[in-house]
Amino acid sequence: RKEVEQDPGPFNVPEGATVAFNCTYSNSASQSFFWYRQDCRKEPKLLMSVYSSGNEDGRFTAQLNRASQYISLLIRDSKLSDSATYLCAVVNEKLTFGTGTRLTIIP
Amino acid sequence: GAVVSQHPSWVICKSGTSVKIECRSLDFQATTMFWYRQFPKQSLMLMATSNEGSKATYEQGVEKDKFLINHASLTLSTLTVTSAHPEDSSFYICSARSNNVAAYNEQFFGPGTRLTVL
Repeated sequence: RKEVEQDPGPFNVPEGATVAFNCTYSNSASQSFFWYRQDCRKEPKLLMSVYSSGNEDGRFTAQLNRASQYISLLIRDSKLSDSATYLCAVVNEKLTFGTGTRLTIIP
Repeated sequence: GAVVSQHPSWVICKSGTSVKIECRSLDFQATTMFWYRQFPKQSLMLMATSNEGSKATYEQGVEKDKFLINHASLTLSTLTVTSAHPEDSSFYICSARSNNVAAYNEQFFGPGTRLTVL
Protein backbone atom coordinates (compact mmCIF):
# COMPACT_ATOMS: atom_id res chain seq x y z
CA ARG A 1 0.00 0.00 0.00
CA LYS A 2 1.33 3.44 -0.89
CA GLU A 3 2.18 5.69 2.01
CA VAL A 4 0.02 8.49 0.60
CA GLU A 5 -2.80 7.91 -1.87
CA GLN A 6 -4.66 10.45 -3.90
CA ASP A 7 -7.16 10.30 -6.74
CA PRO A 8 -5.17 11.58 -9.75
CA GLY A 9 -8.28 12.95 -11.43
CA PRO A 10 -8.54 14.85 -13.63
CA PHE A 11 -11.31 16.92 -12.11
CA ASN A 12 -12.96 19.27 -14.60
CA VAL A 13 -15.43 21.54 -12.85
CA PRO A 14 -17.28 24.72 -13.89
CA GLU A 15 -16.23 28.06 -12.52
CA GLY A 16 -17.99 28.85 -9.28
CA ALA A 17 -18.44 25.23 -8.26
CA THR A 18 -17.22 23.65 -5.05
CA VAL A 19 -14.67 20.89 -5.37
CA ALA A 20 -13.29 18.52 -2.75
CA PHE A 21 -10.20 16.35 -2.72
CA ASN A 22 -9.34 13.56 -0.35
CA CYS A 23 -6.05 11.95 0.42
CA THR A 24 -5.39 8.91 2.60
CA TYR A 25 -2.21 8.01 4.44
CA SER A 26 -1.09 4.64 5.77
CA ASN A 27 1.13 5.52 8.73
CA SER A 28 -0.87 6.40 11.81
CA ALA A 29 2.24 7.93 13.37
CA SER A 30 2.42 10.66 10.73
CA GLN A 31 3.01 14.00 12.33
CA SER A 32 2.20 16.83 9.96
CA PHE A 33 0.01 17.25 6.94
CA PHE A 34 -0.02 19.73 4.09
CA TRP A 35 -1.69 20.63 0.83
CA TYR A 36 0.52 21.96 -1.95
CA ARG A 37 -0.40 23.48 -5.27
CA GLN A 38 1.78 22.83 -8.29
CA ASP A 39 1.43 24.66 -11.58
CA CYS A 40 2.73 23.13 -14.79
CA ARG A 41 6.53 22.94 -14.87
CA LYS A 42 6.85 24.75 -11.56
CA GLU A 43 7.79 23.77 -8.04
CA PRO A 44 5.07 22.92 -5.49
CA LYS A 45 3.93 25.82 -3.37
CA LEU A 46 2.50 25.36 0.10
CA LEU A 47 -1.21 26.04 0.08
CA MET A 48 -1.98 25.28 3.69
CA SER A 49 -1.17 23.12 6.66
CA VAL A 50 -3.83 20.72 7.88
CA TYR A 51 -4.93 20.35 11.48
CA SER A 52 -7.46 18.16 13.25
CA SER A 53 -9.38 21.27 14.20
CA GLY A 54 -9.70 22.26 10.58
CA ASN A 55 -7.99 25.11 8.80
CA GLU A 56 -9.68 27.72 6.65
CA ASP A 57 -8.06 30.31 4.42
CA GLY A 58 -10.54 32.24 2.33
CA ARG A 59 -12.16 29.86 -0.13
CA PHE A 60 -9.99 26.96 0.97
CA THR A 61 -10.72 24.62 3.87
CA ALA A 62 -8.51 21.73 4.94
CA GLN A 63 -9.41 19.02 7.39
CA LEU A 64 -7.61 16.14 9.04
CA ASN A 65 -9.34 12.97 10.21
CA ARG A 66 -6.82 10.99 12.24
CA ALA A 67 -9.22 8.15 13.03
CA SER A 68 -9.80 7.41 9.36
CA GLN A 69 -6.35 8.59 8.29
CA TYR A 70 -7.34 11.01 5.61
CA ILE A 71 -7.02 14.68 4.86
CA SER A 72 -9.30 16.74 2.72
CA LEU A 73 -9.25 20.01 0.82
CA LEU A 74 -12.38 21.94 -0.10
CA ILE A 75 -12.33 24.78 -2.60
CA ARG A 76 -15.44 26.95 -2.70
CA ASP A 77 -16.48 29.31 -5.48
CA SER A 78 -13.74 28.00 -7.73
CA LYS A 79 -11.89 30.42 -10.00
CA LEU A 80 -10.14 29.83 -13.29
CA SER A 81 -6.87 30.56 -11.50
CA ASP A 82 -7.44 27.55 -9.25
CA SER A 83 -6.58 25.25 -12.17
CA ALA A 84 -3.47 23.36 -11.06
CA THR A 85 -2.36 20.08 -9.57
CA TYR A 86 -3.02 19.72 -5.87
CA LEU A 87 -0.67 17.52 -3.89
CA CYS A 88 -1.22 16.28 -0.39
CA ALA A 89 1.87 15.66 1.69
CA VAL A 90 2.46 13.84 4.94
CA VAL A 91 5.42 14.02 7.29
CA ASN A 92 6.64 10.89 9.01
CA GLU A 93 10.39 11.49 9.39
CA LYS A 94 10.30 12.68 5.78
CA LEU A 95 7.83 14.51 3.58
CA THR A 96 5.97 12.16 1.27
CA PHE A 97 3.73 13.42 -1.50
CA GLY A 98 0.65 11.97 -3.03
CA THR A 99 0.49 11.64 -6.80
CA GLY A 100 -1.45 14.88 -7.08
CA THR A 101 -4.91 15.63 -8.39
CA ARG A 102 -5.21 17.62 -11.57
CA LEU A 103 -7.94 20.26 -11.38
CA THR A 104 -9.20 22.24 -14.36
CA ILE A 105 -11.77 24.98 -13.85
CA ILE A 106 -13.93 25.44 -16.92
CA PRO A 107 -15.29 28.91 -17.82
CA GLY B 1 9.03 34.16 3.53
CA ALA B 2 11.93 31.73 3.23
CA VAL B 3 13.48 31.64 -0.22
CA VAL B 4 15.30 28.77 -1.86
CA SER B 5 17.10 29.19 -5.15
CA GLN B 6 18.28 26.59 -7.62
CA HIS B 7 20.82 26.92 -10.36
CA PRO B 8 20.65 26.29 -13.22
CA SER B 9 16.93 26.47 -13.92
CA TRP B 10 17.36 24.29 -16.98
CA VAL B 11 20.19 22.41 -18.62
CA ILE B 12 20.61 20.40 -21.78
CA CYS B 13 23.61 18.12 -21.99
CA LYS B 14 25.00 15.26 -23.99
CA SER B 15 24.81 11.71 -22.74
CA GLY B 16 27.79 10.81 -20.58
CA THR B 17 28.45 14.26 -19.17
CA SER B 18 28.03 15.25 -15.53
CA VAL B 19 25.72 17.99 -14.39
CA LYS B 20 25.86 19.87 -11.11
CA ILE B 21 22.76 21.50 -9.63
CA GLU B 22 23.00 23.96 -6.75
CA CYS B 23 20.39 24.55 -4.09
CA ARG B 24 20.70 27.56 -1.80
CA SER B 25 18.65 28.80 1.12
CA LEU B 26 18.88 32.56 0.73
CA ASP B 27 17.59 33.96 4.00
CA PHE B 28 17.73 31.10 6.47
CA GLN B 29 19.99 28.29 7.55
CA ALA B 30 19.17 24.71 6.70
CA THR B 31 20.98 21.80 8.23
CA THR B 32 18.78 19.52 6.18
CA MET B 33 17.92 19.79 2.51
CA PHE B 34 16.09 17.35 0.28
CA TRP B 35 16.40 16.39 -3.36
CA TYR B 36 13.35 15.28 -5.31
CA ARG B 37 12.83 14.14 -8.85
CA GLN B 38 9.61 14.47 -10.81
CA PHE B 39 8.92 12.73 -14.09
CA PRO B 40 6.11 14.02 -16.33
CA LYS B 41 2.64 13.53 -14.86
CA GLN B 42 4.06 11.89 -11.77
CA SER B 43 4.51 13.09 -8.21
CA LEU B 44 7.68 14.27 -6.55
CA MET B 45 9.81 11.36 -5.43
CA LEU B 46 12.36 11.90 -2.72
CA MET B 47 15.82 10.91 -3.89
CA ALA B 48 17.92 11.75 -0.88
CA THR B 49 18.18 13.74 2.32
CA SER B 50 21.21 16.00 2.47
CA ASN B 51 22.67 16.82 5.88
CA GLU B 52 25.25 19.54 6.40
CA GLY B 53 28.58 18.08 7.39
CA SER B 54 27.63 14.44 6.95
CA LYS B 55 26.79 11.94 4.26
CA ALA B 56 23.50 12.10 2.49
CA THR B 57 20.85 9.48 3.08
CA TYR B 58 19.56 7.96 -0.15
CA GLU B 59 16.14 6.47 -0.76
CA GLN B 60 15.85 2.90 -1.88
CA GLY B 61 16.64 2.49 -5.56
CA VAL B 62 18.64 5.71 -5.87
CA GLU B 63 22.28 5.13 -6.77
CA LYS B 64 24.51 7.15 -4.48
CA ASP B 65 27.46 6.88 -6.85
CA LYS B 66 25.43 8.31 -9.69
CA PHE B 67 23.76 11.12 -7.77
CA LEU B 68 26.47 12.75 -5.70
CA ILE B 69 25.31 15.08 -2.96
CA ASN B 70 27.44 17.58 -1.12
CA HIS B 71 26.11 19.78 1.68
CA ALA B 72 29.13 21.84 2.56
CA SER B 73 27.45 24.71 4.35
CA LEU B 74 24.20 25.58 6.10
CA THR B 75 22.94 27.32 2.98
CA LEU B 76 24.17 25.21 0.08
CA SER B 77 23.63 21.68 -1.15
CA THR B 78 24.69 20.40 -4.55
CA LEU B 79 23.49 17.42 -6.56
CA THR B 80 25.76 16.10 -9.29
CA VAL B 81 24.28 13.74 -11.84
CA THR B 82 27.30 11.80 -13.03
CA SER B 83 27.47 10.32 -16.53
CA ALA B 84 23.96 11.45 -17.29
CA HIS B 85 21.83 9.42 -19.68
CA PRO B 86 18.51 10.21 -21.38
CA GLU B 87 16.57 8.32 -18.69
CA ASP B 88 17.92 10.84 -16.15
CA SER B 89 16.03 13.60 -17.92
CA SER B 90 13.63 14.93 -15.33
CA PHE B 91 12.63 17.87 -13.16
CA TYR B 92 14.90 18.02 -10.12
CA ILE B 93 13.61 20.00 -7.16
CA CYS B 94 15.36 20.72 -3.90
CA SER B 95 13.82 21.82 -0.65
CA ALA B 96 15.26 23.10 2.57
CA ARG B 97 14.02 22.67 6.10
CA SER B 98 14.58 25.73 8.23
CA ASN B 99 16.60 25.40 11.43
CA ASN B 100 13.94 27.61 13.00
CA VAL B 101 12.20 25.32 15.49
CA ALA B 102 8.82 26.93 14.91
CA ALA B 103 8.90 26.09 11.21
CA TYR B 104 10.70 22.79 11.59
CA ASN B 105 8.29 20.58 9.70
CA GLU B 106 7.84 22.99 6.84
CA GLN B 107 9.99 22.63 3.76
CA PHE B 108 10.69 25.44 1.35
CA PHE B 109 11.07 24.44 -2.26
CA GLY B 110 13.42 25.71 -4.90
CA PRO B 111 12.07 26.52 -8.37
CA GLY B 112 13.43 23.30 -9.83
CA THR B 113 15.96 22.39 -12.51
CA ARG B 114 14.80 20.84 -15.73
CA LEU B 115 17.45 18.45 -17.03
CA THR B 116 17.36 17.16 -20.58
CA VAL B 117 19.97 14.61 -21.61
CA LEU B 118 20.35 14.11 -25.33
